[in-house]
Amino acid sequence: AQSVTQPDIHITVSEGASLELRCNYSYGATPYLFWYVQSPGQGLQLLLKYFSGDTLVQGIKGFEAEFKRSQSSFNLRKPSVHWSDAAEYFCAVGGGYSTLTFGKGTMLLVSP
Amino acid sequence: GAVVSQHPSWVICKSGTSVKIECRSLDFQATTMFWYRQFPKQSLMLMATSNEGSKATYEQGVEKDKFLINHASLTLSTLTVTSAHPEDSSFYICSARVPGVDYEQYFGPGTRLTVT
Repeated sequence: AQSVTQPDIHITVSEGASLELRCNYSYGATPYLFWYVQSPGQGLQLLLKYFSGDTLVQGIKGFEAEFKRSQSSFNLRKPSVHWSDAAEYFCAVGGGYSTLTFGKGTMLLVSP
Repeated sequence: GAVVSQHPSWVICKSGTSVKIECRSLDFQATTMFWYRQFPKQSLMLMATSNEGSKATYEQGVEKDKFLINHASLTLSTLTVTSAHPEDSSFYICSARVPGVDYEQYFGPGTRLTVT
């Protein structure tokens, strides 16, 4: 069965600094990978996805992620964090019947 | 873009009563919807896959008789929590599969259920 590990529960980044959120997955075949963002009390918004092709994926709000098959990773990055980016971020991998398996999430805190 | 709504956004009910949560795809037809449960500061756990016109597929460990799912139309799926207990208090989120696109889902804003 597929699984997703997000090793960092919380991350604090200064506003304007760069950001990298880690995600490792376990899946037998070529994975479909996603990053979602959740603001408090809200549903999830898709930031970006990787299905195939270019391993560097661009998403909304200035985010990007790089798929590294050799490391089973799909880390999310942003060159300059804004205070509005503070939220919880979930990495997910696609499984059977179009289901998604989510990691436990990383809470991003942005300091002034 | 595709929009998924949930109603109500929050509900408080007494132990032993049932509560229904609606999930609607507003501008597209969704043959498949998903129901998730999220505990505070936890990840989303898939409860069941709801397919229009057929029985829902429940994940292991999810009580079918407690969490009744009905996908009666291409734009509406409902989750009924029967005989609710305080341990059923949680944040319930639905999503709808994007037509013709594997795995991609649009998520509703969630429903906060509190059972007293």
